[in-house]
This record gives sequence, structure tokens and C-alpha cells, in this order.
Amino acid sequence: GEDVEQSLFLSVREGDSSVINCTYTDSSSTYLYWYKQEPGAGLQLLTYIFSNMDMKQDQRLTVLLNKKDKHLSLRIADTQTGDSAIYFCAEIEGNTGRRALTFGSGTRLQVQP
Amino acid sequence: DVKVTQSSRYLVKRTGEKVFLECVQDMDHENMFWYRQDPGLGLRLIYFSYDVKMKEKGDIPEGYSVSREKKERFSLILESASTNQTSMYLCAIGLGTANKNIQYFGAGTRLSVL
Repeated sequence: GEDVEQSLFLSVREGDSSVINCTYTDSSSTYLYWYKQEPGAGLQLLTYIFSNMDMKQDQRLTVLLNKKDKHLSLRIADTQTGDSAIYFCAEIEGNTGRRALTFGSGTRLQVQP
Repeated sequence: DVKVTQSSRYLVKRTGEKVFLECVQDMDHENMFWYRQDPGLGLRLIYFSYDVKMKEKGDIPEGYSVSREKKERFSLILESASTNQTSMYLCAIGLGTANKNIQYFGAGTRLSVL
């Protein structure tokens, strides 16, 4: 099946930028997503990008997509302690019609004061 | 705002018990999903449904079944709970099409099977 991979852990200092990376294998992916999960909570949609776009910016968040390398990144500018959470990359299975998402294993972001 | 409600935040059950996890949405959305989340594995799809009485197996359906008798409610059933089903269970609804499906999640049910 298709695969989505992320590194497991990232630690940054408050005020720095965070970059969370993701790679995927499904070349037919049409949309890619970033979700945030705070402790004890469900997943919250942060942003998504259409596969024919290179970049999408939304306030402190910047998503970069390199479709050729199947690489997606999420940059958080001016990272705050409230950004500490697990971040999941996900892609929609383009050819199956299942409308389900394939998720990475999640990157735990720790923001140090 | 899209609202997805899971009936229990925490559940503790014994091996062999029949367990029902309930998920309710407050809009008329067709697509509903059940995932389980385990550390280091991300979310894995158990079952999904496109409409009332319709269900499709996901990637890990073994040991589970589902029920969708009404559009707003999608139930996950563990026929005979086992310790390896201890996990966080997340329900989601999907808005959109096969190529663009925005999913909104409930708060999750953390199930412990003893």
C-alpha cells in the first residue's frame, strides 16, 4: 500500500522556526494535509494543499510541496509553546476512490521556552 | 462548525466483552470513518461508510464490525475485545469527493482492554 513517512521528534526553542518534513509514495495524490493533535485530543486540520501547487501560506504556517520528490513540509514561524503537539502529514488515496486518508506516524514537536 | 461527538473519552473493558464505540455527527454528511491510533504507527483505517447501511473494510478490519443504521451515527463494534485492541479510537467525517476529502475528527475514545 501507499506510505507516508515522517521523523518522530523535533525540538525547537520558542521564537524559532520549526520545519516538519514528510515524504509520500502515492504519485496520484491530489491533496495533502497537515493535522495537529494536542495531548488527549482528536486531530485538528491545520491546512491542506492541492498537488498542483508548490506553496501555500496561512498566517504563521507555510506548506511547501515538491511533487517530483514527493516531499511535503510544514514550516511554523515564530514557534510558541502552544504549538507543542503531534503533527500528522496525510494524503488522500488518489486512485482507490476510498476517500480515506493515509497518515504518517506523526512528528512530536517540543517547544522549549 | 463541523461537530463530531464520540460518546466516551475513556473506556475500560475486560477481555471477551462486546464493546460499542459510538460516533455522532450533527450534519447530514455521508462519509464517516473509524481509525485507530497507536504510538509510532499513526492512524490506521478500520472501516468506513458512505451512506446508511453501507460499510467498507479499511486496512485493519479484523476483530471489528460497524453499524450505520442512521446517517448521523456510525458505531464501531468489538465483538470480543482482546488486549491487542487497547488503543485510541478516532471517528471522522469526510466532506468532499474521492479526490479532495477534508476530514474532521472527534476527540477520540481511549479504550483499555484488561
